[in-house]
Amino acid sequence: DAGVTQSPTHLIKTRGQHVTLRCSPISGHKSVSWYQQVLGQGPQFIFQYYEKEERGRGNFPDRFSARQFPNYSSELNVNALLLGDSALYLCASSLGGTASSGNTIYFGEGSWLTVV
Amino acid sequence: KNEVEQSPQNLTAQEGEFITINCSYSVGISALHWLQQHPGGGIVSLFMLSSGKKKHGRLIATINIQEKHSSLHITASHPRDSAVYICAVRRPQGAQKLVFGQGTRLTINP
Repeated sequence: DAGVTQSPTHLIKTRGQHVTLRCSPISGHKSVSWYQQVLGQGPQFIFQYYEKEERGRGNFPDRFSARQFPNYSSELNVNALLLGDSALYLCASSLGGTASSGNTIYFGEGSWLTVV
Repeated sequence: KNEVEQSPQNLTAQEGEFITINCSYSVGISALHWLQQHPGGGIVSLFMLSSGKKKHGRLIATINIQEKHSSLHITASHPRDSAVYICAVRRPQGAQKLVFGQGTRLTINP
Protein backbone atom coordinates (compact mmCIF):
# COMPACT_ATOMS: atom_id res chain seq x y z
CA ASP A 1 0.00 0.00 0.00
CA ALA A 2 1.18 3.50 -0.75
CA GLY A 3 2.08 5.71 2.18
CA VAL A 4 1.10 9.33 2.55
CA THR A 5 1.86 11.07 -0.72
CA GLN A 6 2.40 14.78 -1.17
CA SER A 7 2.81 16.95 -4.23
CA PRO A 8 4.68 18.84 -5.40
CA THR A 9 7.89 17.85 -3.66
CA HIS A 10 9.62 21.16 -4.35
CA LEU A 11 8.39 24.48 -5.62
CA ILE A 12 9.52 28.09 -5.84
CA LYS A 13 7.04 30.95 -5.69
CA THR A 14 7.29 34.72 -5.69
CA ARG A 15 6.07 36.93 -2.85
CA GLY A 16 2.37 37.69 -3.22
CA GLN A 17 1.60 34.57 -5.20
CA HIS A 18 -0.69 31.75 -4.16
CA VAL A 19 0.25 28.10 -3.65
CA THR A 20 -1.72 24.85 -3.41
CA LEU A 21 -0.17 21.78 -1.83
CA ARG A 22 -1.79 18.37 -2.08
CA CYS A 23 -1.86 15.32 0.13
CA SER A 24 -3.25 11.81 -0.29
CA PRO A 25 -3.57 9.89 2.96
CA ILE A 26 -2.98 6.21 3.42
CA SER A 27 -5.91 4.20 2.08
CA GLY A 28 -8.60 3.99 4.74
CA HIS A 29 -7.32 6.92 6.76
CA LYS A 30 -9.89 9.63 7.30
CA SER A 31 -7.80 12.18 9.22
CA VAL A 32 -5.32 14.52 7.55
CA SER A 33 -3.22 17.09 9.36
CA TRP A 34 -0.91 19.75 7.99
CA TYR A 35 2.28 21.02 9.62
CA GLN A 36 4.77 23.73 8.74
CA GLN A 37 8.45 23.16 9.51
CA VAL A 38 10.74 26.13 9.19
CA LEU A 39 14.43 25.27 8.81
CA GLY A 40 16.01 24.36 12.12
CA GLN A 41 12.74 24.12 14.04
CA GLY A 42 10.20 21.46 14.89
CA PRO A 43 6.96 21.25 12.87
CA GLN A 44 4.07 23.52 13.83
CA PHE A 45 0.43 22.41 13.56
CA ILE A 46 -1.61 24.21 10.91
CA PHE A 47 -4.85 22.23 10.41
CA GLN A 48 -6.51 18.92 11.04
CA TYR A 49 -9.39 17.60 8.94
CA TYR A 50 -11.44 14.53 9.74
CA GLU A 51 -14.35 13.26 7.70
CA LYS A 52 -14.13 16.41 5.58
CA GLU A 53 -14.59 18.74 8.54
CA GLU A 54 -12.01 21.01 10.13
CA ARG A 55 -11.25 19.65 13.61
CA GLY A 56 -8.44 21.94 14.61
CA ARG A 57 -6.53 25.00 13.54
CA GLY A 58 -3.15 26.22 14.69
CA ASN A 59 -1.96 29.78 15.15
CA PHE A 60 -1.68 30.70 11.48
CA PRO A 61 -3.15 33.70 9.64
CA ASP A 62 -6.24 33.50 7.45
CA ARG A 63 -3.97 33.38 4.40
CA PHE A 64 -3.71 29.69 5.20
CA SER A 65 -6.72 27.52 4.34
CA ALA A 66 -7.36 23.88 3.68
CA ARG A 67 -10.03 21.46 2.70
CA GLN A 68 -10.60 17.72 2.56
CA PHE A 69 -12.30 15.98 -0.31
CA PRO A 70 -14.75 13.02 -0.30
CA ASN A 71 -11.85 10.65 -1.01
CA TYR A 72 -10.10 12.08 2.11
CA SER A 73 -7.31 13.72 0.14
CA SER A 74 -6.56 17.27 1.17
CA GLU A 75 -5.29 20.57 -0.14
CA LEU A 76 -3.46 23.30 1.75
CA ASN A 77 -3.74 26.75 0.21
CA VAL A 78 -1.60 29.74 1.10
CA ASN A 79 -2.44 33.16 -0.33
CA ALA A 80 -0.32 36.31 -0.57
CA LEU A 81 2.90 34.42 0.07
CA LEU A 82 5.54 35.99 2.30
CA LEU A 83 9.23 35.18 2.50
CA GLY A 84 8.57 33.72 5.94
CA ASP A 85 6.27 31.08 4.45
CA SER A 86 9.34 29.32 3.07
CA ALA A 87 9.29 25.96 4.82
CA LEU A 88 8.72 22.26 4.56
CA TYR A 89 4.99 21.51 4.62
CA LEU A 90 4.20 18.11 6.02
CA CYS A 91 1.00 16.14 5.74
CA ALA A 92 0.12 13.41 8.22
CA SER A 93 -2.69 10.88 8.15
CA SER A 94 -4.24 8.55 10.67
CA LEU A 95 -7.30 6.35 11.04
CA GLY A 96 -9.02 8.18 13.87
CA GLY A 97 -9.64 11.87 14.20
CA THR A 98 -9.65 12.58 17.89
CA ALA A 99 -6.80 13.47 20.20
CA SER A 100 -7.46 10.42 22.32
CA SER A 101 -7.62 7.87 19.52
CA GLY A 102 -4.56 5.70 19.86
CA ASN A 103 -3.71 5.59 16.19
CA THR A 104 -0.24 5.89 14.77
CA ILE A 105 0.28 9.00 12.70
CA TYR A 106 2.01 8.60 9.34
CA PHE A 107 3.84 11.43 7.62
CA GLY A 108 4.48 12.18 3.98
CA GLU A 109 7.83 13.27 2.57
CA GLY A 110 6.72 16.89 2.58
CA SER A 111 6.58 19.74 0.10
CA TRP A 112 9.50 22.14 0.14
CA LEU A 113 8.26 25.67 -0.55
CA THR A 114 10.68 28.49 -1.27
CA VAL A 115 9.29 32.02 -1.54
CA VAL A 116 11.57 34.52 -3.26
CA LYS B 1 8.92 28.21 27.45
CA ASN B 2 8.20 25.47 24.90
CA GLU B 3 5.72 22.81 25.91
CA VAL B 4 8.16 20.13 24.71
CA GLU B 5 11.88 20.39 25.36
CA GLN B 6 14.53 18.02 24.04
CA SER B 7 18.14 17.56 25.01
CA PRO B 8 20.71 17.61 23.72
CA GLN B 9 20.08 19.69 20.60
CA ASN B 10 23.10 18.18 18.89
CA LEU B 11 24.88 14.93 19.63
CA THR B 12 27.94 13.44 17.95
CA ALA B 13 29.14 9.97 18.88
CA GLN B 14 31.29 7.14 17.62
CA GLU B 15 29.87 4.03 16.04
CA GLY B 16 28.90 1.49 18.68
CA GLU B 17 28.17 3.97 21.45
CA PHE B 18 24.98 3.91 23.50
CA ILE B 19 22.87 6.98 22.74
CA THR B 20 20.27 8.67 24.94
CA ILE B 21 18.01 11.53 23.86
CA ASN B 22 15.73 13.13 26.43
CA CYS B 23 12.33 14.77 26.15
CA SER B 24 10.46 16.71 28.83
CA TYR B 25 6.98 18.12 28.47
CA SER B 26 4.89 20.44 30.58
CA VAL B 27 1.32 19.61 29.53
CA GLY B 28 -1.10 16.73 29.89
CA ILE B 29 -0.85 14.24 27.08
CA SER B 30 -2.63 11.23 25.67
CA ALA B 31 0.47 9.90 23.91
CA LEU B 32 4.08 10.73 23.14
CA HIS B 33 5.71 10.06 19.79
CA TRP B 34 9.34 9.60 18.86
CA LEU B 35 9.99 10.43 15.23
CA GLN B 36 13.00 10.29 12.94
CA GLN B 37 13.64 12.85 10.22
CA HIS B 38 16.30 12.43 7.53
CA PRO B 39 17.77 15.33 5.52
CA GLY B 40 15.24 14.80 2.73
CA GLY B 41 12.51 15.89 5.10
CA GLY B 42 10.28 12.86 5.45
CA ILE B 43 9.34 11.87 8.99
CA VAL B 44 9.13 8.27 10.15
CA SER B 45 7.25 7.35 13.29
CA LEU B 46 9.45 5.25 15.58
CA PHE B 47 7.32 4.85 18.69
CA MET B 48 4.02 5.93 20.18
CA LEU B 49 3.95 5.65 23.97
CA SER B 50 1.37 6.29 26.62
CA SER B 51 3.14 4.40 29.41
CA GLY B 52 6.10 2.17 30.19
CA LYS B 53 8.65 1.09 27.63
CA LYS B 54 8.79 -0.09 24.03
CA LYS B 55 11.61 -1.74 22.11
CA HIS B 56 12.14 -2.16 18.40
CA GLY B 57 15.44 -3.59 17.28
CA ARG B 58 18.21 -1.39 18.69
CA LEU B 59 15.79 1.35 19.70
CA ILE B 60 14.21 1.62 23.13
CA ALA B 61 11.76 4.29 24.25
CA THR B 62 10.61 4.89 27.81
CA ILE B 63 8.14 7.28 29.36
CA ASN B 64 7.50 8.39 32.95
CA ILE B 65 4.06 10.00 33.03
CA GLN B 66 4.42 11.31 36.59
CA GLU B 67 7.69 13.06 35.81
CA LYS B 68 6.54 14.13 32.31
CA HIS B 69 9.72 12.75 30.79
CA SER B 70 10.64 10.34 28.02
CA SER B 71 13.91 8.97 26.70
CA LEU B 72 14.94 7.42 23.42
CA HIS B 73 17.91 5.05 23.55
CA ILE B 74 19.90 3.63 20.67
CA THR B 75 22.14 0.66 21.41
CA ALA B 76 25.18 -0.20 19.26
CA SER B 77 24.77 3.00 17.25
CA HIS B 78 25.61 2.99 13.55
CA PRO B 79 26.27 5.79 11.03
CA ARG B 80 22.92 5.04 9.39
CA ASP B 81 21.26 6.16 12.65
CA SER B 82 22.40 9.70 11.86
CA ALA B 83 19.24 11.81 11.62
CA VAL B 84 17.16 14.31 13.54
CA TYR B 85 15.12 12.68 16.29
CA ILE B 86 11.99 14.51 17.32
CA CYS B 87 9.77 14.10 20.34
CA ALA B 88 6.12 15.09 19.91
CA VAL B 89 3.18 14.93 22.31
CA ARG B 90 -0.50 14.50 21.60
CA ARG B 91 -2.88 16.50 23.81
CA PRO B 92 -5.72 14.57 25.43
CA GLN B 93 -8.59 16.71 24.15
CA GLY B 94 -9.59 18.43 20.98
CA ALA B 95 -7.95 18.05 17.60
CA GLN B 96 -5.43 15.35 16.87
CA LYS B 97 -2.62 17.83 17.11
CA LEU B 98 1.02 17.02 17.77
CA VAL B 99 3.21 19.49 19.64
CA PHE B 100 6.83 18.97 18.63
CA GLY B 101 10.12 19.46 20.33
CA GLN B 102 12.87 21.22 18.43
CA GLY B 103 14.62 17.96 17.58
CA THR B 104 18.00 16.41 18.34
CA ARG B 105 20.49 16.19 15.51
CA LEU B 106 22.42 12.93 15.92
CA THR B 107 25.63 12.23 14.02
CA ILE B 108 27.30 8.84 14.35
CA ASN B 109 30.85 8.74 13.05
CA PRO B 110 32.37 5.48 11.78
